Amino acid sequence: KQEVTQIPAALSVPEGENLVLNCSFTDSAIYNLQWFRQDPGKGLTSLLLIQSSQREQTSGRLNASLDKSSGRSTLYIAASQPGDSATYLCAVSYTGNQFYFGTGTSLTVIP
Amino acid sequence: EPEVTQTPSHQVTQMGQEVILRCVPISNHLYFYWYRQILGQKVEFLVSFYNNEISEKSEIFDDQFSVERPDGSNFTLKIRSTKLEDSAMYFCASRALGSYEQYFGPGTRLTVT
Repeated sequence: KQEVTQIPAALSVPEGENLVLNCSFTDSAIYNLQWFRQDPGKGLTSLLLIQSSQREQTSGRLNASLDKSSGRSTLYIAASQPGDSATYLCAVSYTGNQFYFGTGTSLTVIP
Repeated sequence: EPEVTQTPSHQVTQMGQEVILRCVPISNHLYFYWYRQILGQKVEFLVSFYNNEISEKSEIFDDQFSVERPDGSNFTLKIRSTKLEDSAMYFCASRALGSYEQYFGPGTRLTVT
């Protein structure tokens, strides 16, 4: 069974700090990995997609890295803001279709 | 900016009733998905749909579930006889040909009583 784990489950940081969210997956033969944010009671917003052949992707203050051999991905958020408060989900796909999701990291950025 | 839309936002139904959840994917997307999230649990894949047929489905997607693209814009999920354990948020997603990035709708909260 494909397992995706996210650590920590919750994180609270003061505004302006840089932070790293972690995602690990048991089967390293992934096709791609996508990071999402989920606001309470809302849908999922796509942040970054990394193909299996890529090592990292960047969008604004976000940088996602992928280390397939160790079964890990990290999401780096620079200069955090209160608006970044949300749950961050990591999802991996082995076919390009079905995603397996982690349980998420709940981030709170304190003003 | 184009987005995936879903209706209704909240559906309450009695156990044993049929429900149809509706989605309008992004207009030029060709791959469509349904996921669900039971309260407090992970988002789970249900089914993927391409070229008018199911391409992948999970163990959750049993004979009680079906999907359809009845016209050029809508994508529906039908649950024939709802059970209490079907209560969840149901998300529709879509992606374009040549891209693997999935875009999610806001979800339909299904409550089965």
